[in-house]
Amino acid sequence: QSGLTQPPSVSAAPGQRVNISCTGTSSNIGAGYAVHWYQHLPGTAPKLLISVNNNRPSGVPDRFSGSMSGTSASLAITGLQAEDEAIYYCQSFDISLGFSRVFGGGTKLTVL
Amino acid sequence: EVQLVESGGGLMQPGGSLRLSCAASGITISRHSVSWVRQAPGKGPEWISVIYRNGNTYYTDPVKGRVTMSRDNSKNTLYFQMNSLRPEDTAMYYCAIATGGTTHDPFDFWGQGTMVAVSS
Repeated sequence: QSGLTQPPSVSAAPGQRVNISCTGTSSNIGAGYAVHWYQHLPGTAPKLLISVNNNRPSGVPDRFSGSMSGTSASLAITGLQAEDEAIYYCQSFDISLGFSRVFGGGTKLTVL
Repeated sequence: EVQLVESGGGLMQPGGSLRLSCAASGITISRHSVSWVRQAPGKGPEWISVIYRNGNTYYTDPVKGRVTMSRDNSKNTLYFQMNSLRPEDTAMYYCAIATGGTTHDPFDFWGQGTMVAVSS
């Protein structure tokens, strides 16, 4: 089961900006817990993209940024590139599910 | 470079058991909390278990009572034993490391996963 809700898919042309939403509840994002974002190309290891307080691991370009507001979070990707085509997952922490880490269902980004 | 390599997946019988391994290189697993995350076909990832630096383990409700995590520090390898397999256990199983040390920290490193299919 996915504790966070993401749109199944988004698409945009190269060079454009895209936002991927991640909607939670008062027991996870709304409780102030950090939201992390991962990029996944099927068949490869998922990659941490954005962590708490909009931190980017070394090597992640600043075209990727995260934000939070209320019970939602958002991943923004600017200057879209073909290599950005992947599945993106958000992840947080939920106090109602046995103090568990929870993920979104994933959003498939298509670069047109 | 950190690498996590899972193995041990395959086609399993309902009611049977599996033992997955996660061999690490470039990082010492005993110094970090290491989790197993699974992803059923068409679904989002699901966090199911963790072994902390001190060796304590935690299992989520869907697998509690059926799963045991352990590690061999000399081999820098993590193990995941699951019994009483069910068709709903069918998923890609990933090991993932959170170097931050708390449950709120992200998974900094992931393996490529090993696929488990439970079917008769």
